[in-house]
Amino acid sequence: AQKVTQAQTEISVVEKEDVTLDCVYETRDTTYYLFWYKQPPSGELVFLIRRNSFDEQNEISGRYSWNFQKSTSSFNFTITASQVVDSAVYFCALSEANFGNEKLTFGTGTRLTIIP
Amino acid sequence: NAGVTQTPKFRVLKTGQSMTLLCAQDMNHEYMYWYRQDPGMGLRLIHYSVGEGTTAKGEVPDGYNVSRLKKQNFLLGLESAAPSQTSVYFCASTDSTPWDEQFFGPGTRLTVL
Repeated sequence: AQKVTQAQTEISVVEKEDVTLDCVYETRDTTYYLFWYKQPPSGELVFLIRRNSFDEQNEISGRYSWNFQKSTSSFNFTITASQVVDSAVYFCALSEANFGNEKLTFGTGTRLTIIP
Repeated sequence: NAGVTQTPKFRVLKTGQSMTLLCAQDMNHEYMYWYRQDPGMGLRLIHYSVGEGTTAKGEVPDGYNVSRLKKQNFLLGLESAAPSQTSVYFCASTDSTPWDEQFFGPGTRLTVL
């Protein structure tokens, strides 16, 4: 069974600090996809990134970076030089790439508050 | 393109009443999903559809029914609402595989008294 754990329920940091959101996953499949979504206070869900299990290269997009490590089953998300607009709930999610199990399993989310 | 839309945005029901939530997407996506979001529990999958005319159970299907008579629409029904169904409901769709990016609707906030 697929499972995603986001152990950090809430994090608060002062603006301009770096912050890392942890994500640990469980799956028996060798082919799977990992995602991060952002839910700002307005409530909509915004896609940030998708990674497949065969691509362990770290990804950087502006102030955002992701560290995927299969050895520890982790897909952590780092925001560098945080800004108030980064305040949101962030969800990590997992999809096992097999037809017949077309589900995306979400973690419980981490609420990030950036203090001005 | 409107993307994924949900109707209504808010609704208050009394215990035992029924209602239908409508999700519509104009991206010709194959896969559609209904989630509920409760505090501290993330998003949990209720039902999903892998194409027109198909439906499948997700993680928390009890008390809900769905239909996908047209490819662009995915309906979620509550036959006899209960307070435990108070939640925010999100619809989502993906294009050609279920592990594509999911596009989400704006959500429906449902309160059952």
